[in-house]
Amino acid sequence: AQSVTQLDSQVPVFEEAPVELRCNYSSSVSVYLFWYVQYPNQGLQLLLKYLSGSTLVKGINGFEAEFNKSQTSFHLRKPSVHISDTAEYFCAVSDNTDKLIFGTGTRLQVFP
Amino acid sequence: EAQVTQNPRYLITVTGKKLTVTCSQNMNHEYMSWYRQDPGLGLRQIYYSMNVEVTDKGDVPEGYKVSRKEKRNFPLILESPSPNQTSLYFCASRLETGGGYGYTFGSGTRLTVV
Repeated sequence: AQSVTQLDSQVPVFEEAPVELRCNYSSSVSVYLFWYVQYPNQGLQLLLKYLSGSTLVKGINGFEAEFNKSQTSFHLRKPSVHISDTAEYFCAVSDNTDKLIFGTGTRLQVFP
Repeated sequence: EAQVTQNPRYLITVTGKKLTVTCSQNMNHEYMSWYRQDPGLGLRQIYYSMNVEVTDKGDVPEGYKVSRKEKRNFPLILESPSPNQTSLYFCASRLETGGGYGYTFGSGTRLTVV
């Protein structure tokens, strides 16, 4: 069975600092990996996804993630965060079925 | 604008009073799903539908019903709500079945059962 672990429930960071949100997954088959962002009082928005090919995936708002098969990780990074990046971020995994499994979320808090 | 529309955004109800949360998408998506979001638990799938008249249980289906009579609509029905169903609910859709497609989410319905 698939599962997703987001190692940090909260990540505080100062504006313009780099940030990494960690995600590890477990699956016995090939997977597709996603990062979603949820701004306050809004639904989830797709940030980026890995389907195949290059292991470095670029998404919206300057975020990127790297798929590491040997470490079963898909960490999300941004070199310089803004106040507006304050949100909750969810990592998710899917295989060739229709099931999308979400992690428990990481709350990114950016301070001025 | 391509979107998933949920109504209502906020709902307070009493235990045992039947309610329906509506969900509609305008993208001709085949696949639709309902999730609930609870603190510390992330999003958990309640029910999903692969097409009209095809629905199946997700991970936490107890206490919920769904129907898919038209492609665009996928209502969530709570026949007899209980306080443990207080949660934030999201409807989502995607173009086709298969794991590589991302979801489009609605804005959410915050339900409180007292």
